[in-house]
Order: sequence, then structure tokens, then C-alpha cells
Amino acid sequence: QQQVKQSPQSLIVQKGGISIINCAYENTAFDYFPWYQQFPGKGPALLIAIRPDVSEKKEGRFTISFNKSAKQFSLHIMDSQPGDSATYFCAATSAGNQFYFGTGTSLTVIP
Amino acid sequence: DSGVTQTPKHLITATGQRVTLRCSPRSGDLSVYWYQQSLDQGLQFLIQYYNGEERAKGNILERFSAQQFPDLHSELNLSSLELGDSALYFCASSPHGTSVDTQYFGPGTRLTVL
Repeated sequence: QQQVKQSPQSLIVQKGGISIINCAYENTAFDYFPWYQQFPGKGPALLIAIRPDVSEKKEGRFTISFNKSAKQFSLHIMDSQPGDSATYFCAATSAGNQFYFGTGTSLTVIP
Repeated sequence: DSGVTQTPKHLITATGQRVTLRCSPRSGDLSVYWYQQSLDQGLQFLIQYYNGEERAKGNILERFSAQQFPDLHSELNLSSLELGDSALYFCASSPHGTSVDTQYFGPGTRLTVL
């Protein structure tokens, strides 16, 4: 059973556009929701993360929107750049003991 | 460079064999996580250690085992290998293994079982 459901599987965006990736979860015990960015041949790297007591967190061009009642959270990449082309994973954890990852979104930003 | 090292980078072996993957965490990090990444399953959490003790277990098969040594490096042992075990295996480390700790991932070990 997939604890965290991620969509879309792939995304193509024009340079300068907004990339939006969505995730949904069921377990209300999750208390931390990180997003990871992975380039080919590399391990995932933490991009941005949010706790469920806030509805939005912004770091530069990256924003997480969190809807606790809907049990959904999303990553918005503003002014998308070709260098943002990578695979993005959402994740969720409870007390940091076990991390559940989404299936990943392959983002391609076209120049 | 995350500061987490994994060896070997690539491993090719046959079905039924046993292999050991090694991970050295970032200096000062006490917690180590192991993940399996395959095309059809995505990134799957296997097991977490904190300061030598097992803290959490995920979708780790009984044929797989891990340990964290006193110097904090960790090894993942995979035995009776099957074709389906072919995957990228990542190790990550974090300072204290809590939710808000950033996990730093190593470059991974690509295992191919023939």
C-alpha cells in the first residue's frame, strides 16, 4: 500500500513557467513532509520541508503548500529553469522513524 | 558532495550469492538509513540505525540484514540474491535521526543480479 501518492509521474514545463507536483497521504500521524530532488546518477538531496502546523513554506523559488484537512501537500517551483530538470520525491514521516516516499516526478524544463 | 560515502559504486553478481554494501556517514552523524530504489518500486525505506542500535524497520526482506558498527559506519548484507534485488541502494545519514534532521544521501551502490 502506497503511503504517499504522488502525481504527476512526469511533467514538462517551459522555462519561466510554474511546476506543480502534488502528493497525498492517509496517515494523520505523519509530522514532517520533506521534498527531495534527485539528479541522474546522484542520491536524493533535501530541497525543502514542512511541518503540518503551517500551511505554506517558501524558500527562494520553491514553495510547499500544505492542506492538513485534505491531507495533501504540493511543491511549486516558480520561474522554472532548465537546471531544475530532475526527479522530485515527496516524503512523509512520523517521528523520523520511517520515511515513506512518493513514486517520484520527472520534471523537464524546456529552454 | 553530501559527505556520505558508499562502496562499492557498482556490483554485479549472480543469483543465490551474498553481497555486502558499505556506508560511511557524515562526520558526527549518528543515524544511518538504508533505502532501495528500483524503477517499479521507487524509493523504499529499508532500515534505520541510531548509534549502533536498530531504530526502525521498513520493507526489508528477511534475506537482508544490516548493522551499524561502533565507528558508526554501516553495512547492508544481501543474501540469496534474486533478479528482483537488482536496484540502487542508498545510504543516508543524519545527526540524530529525528523527523526534522536533514538526511544526507550517499551516491548509491548499483547492484545488478544476473
